[in-house]
Amino acid sequence: DSGVTQTPKHLITATGQRVTLRCSPRSGDLSVYWYQQSLDQGLQFLIQYYNGEERAKGNILERFSAQQFPDLHSELNLSSLELGDSALYFCASSVDSGTSGRRNNEQFFGPGTRLTVL
Amino acid sequence: DAKTTQPNSMESNEEEPVHLPCNHSTISGTDYIHWYRQLPSQGPEYVIHGLTSNVNNRMASLAIAEDRKSSTLILHRATLRDAAVYYCIRSSNYQLIWGAGTKLIIKP
Repeated sequence: DSGVTQTPKHLITATGQRVTLRCSPRSGDLSVYWYQQSLDQGLQFLIQYYNGEERAKGNILERFSAQQFPDLHSELNLSSLELGDSALYFCASSVDSGTSGRRNNEQFFGPGTRLTVL
Repeated sequence: DAKTTQPNSMESNEEEPVHLPCNHSTISGTDYIHWYRQLPSQGPEYVIHGLTSNVNNRMASLAIAEDRKSSTLILHRATLRDAAVYYCIRSSNYQLIWGAGTKLIIKP
């Protein structure tokens, strides 16, 4: 158990709909990262928040947005869903922002949310 | 952002050492090499990381070439529980750039 929790575990919805995925980081971790993993592919970095502020952006579509709340949990909002958005969505957390002197900044991953768009 | 290059899959016998190669020919001088693995139906987990020197921890060893254009993850004695997808990752601006990974199959 990494200490990172994600809800829901599974989500099935229809094209055009909007969903919200939730992530609670490990206790004490200030950074939250969101990744998308399509079938049999590697992870695509979407976005990172650090202590409530957006820190880095990856290949995140304009239809997707995220935020990190004062209690440090994060939500990933996916709207106008398309069939191609079906994937595993992982949240990870780390202690710091990745820009301090700590070069490792190990990320701890949650179990993921499997999104199926029909 | 150039991703790393790894074999799609590798097989190894149980209780034997495993050497997982990775090419990162365009790596910059300040980019670290990280290895994560993803067991079936789980999120990835950290294995090891390094910059220039070889590194050892309880899970594995990381051998980095002198020119830093390649590295090798070494599992000293593979068990069935080590069957997973192993990702060799370059960090750039402190973000992790993931490749497709190597699926490691362990034969009993």
